[in-house]
Amino acid sequence: ILNVEQSPQSLHVQEGDSTNFTCSFPSSNFYALHWYRWETAKSPEALFVMTLNGDEKKKGRISATLNTKEGYSYLYIKGSQPEDSATYLCAFRAFSARQLTFGSGTQLTVLP
Amino acid sequence: EAQVTQNPRYLITVTGKKLTVTCSQNMNHEYMSWYRQDPGLGLRQIYYSMNVEVTDKGDVPEGYKVSRKEKRNFPLILESPSPNQTSLYFCASSLGRAVPLYFGPGTRLTVT
Repeated sequence: ILNVEQSPQSLHVQEGDSTNFTCSFPSSNFYALHWYRWETAKSPEALFVMTLNGDEKKKGRISATLNTKEGYSYLYIKGSQPEDSATYLCAFRAFSARQLTFGSGTQLTVLP
Repeated sequence: EAQVTQNPRYLITVTGKKLTVTCSQNMNHEYMSWYRQDPGLGLRQIYYSMNVEVTDKGDVPEGYKVSRKEKRNFPLILESPSPNQTSLYFCASSLGRAVPLYFGPGTRLTVT
């Protein structure tokens, strides 16, 4: 089983703060890295899928970067809002793998 | 509306009583998979399917069965449920290996 780690496990920020968290994954045999946003009582929704080293993706105030050589991805949220409160999951797919391996998530709480 | 549906959404059952959780998608996706979510752990894959009649084990397949007789449906079968299968279950589908997963709404199962 592949090791995909997310840090921090949880995070509390004030409304308006910018924040970021990390996903670490194996640096060899890379195929794709996914980010999902999971709100309480809902199902996970895709934010980004990144496949190339150096990829940067952006959706509104949320952006992500990818470093496949060192095995990490950062997710950034600019000017956090209470509606950004959710668990953010990353998932790694190795080239030879038929499945995604998920990290345990970063739980973000944005305080008004 | 493009969606993945699961039924039932909530189920309380007793040890040993066979049950089936249905999953259906209307997006003509090739790939379908089942995950379970337990506190402190990431989403763990139970089974996945790359096409009709093609299924394979994920990370935690013990105690589960699946079938893929039609492209749109991917039921999860628990032949003899046990309390350690109490969990939140998600079905997901996707077009391919480097594209986002679409998740169903989840099924919360309690086995007493």
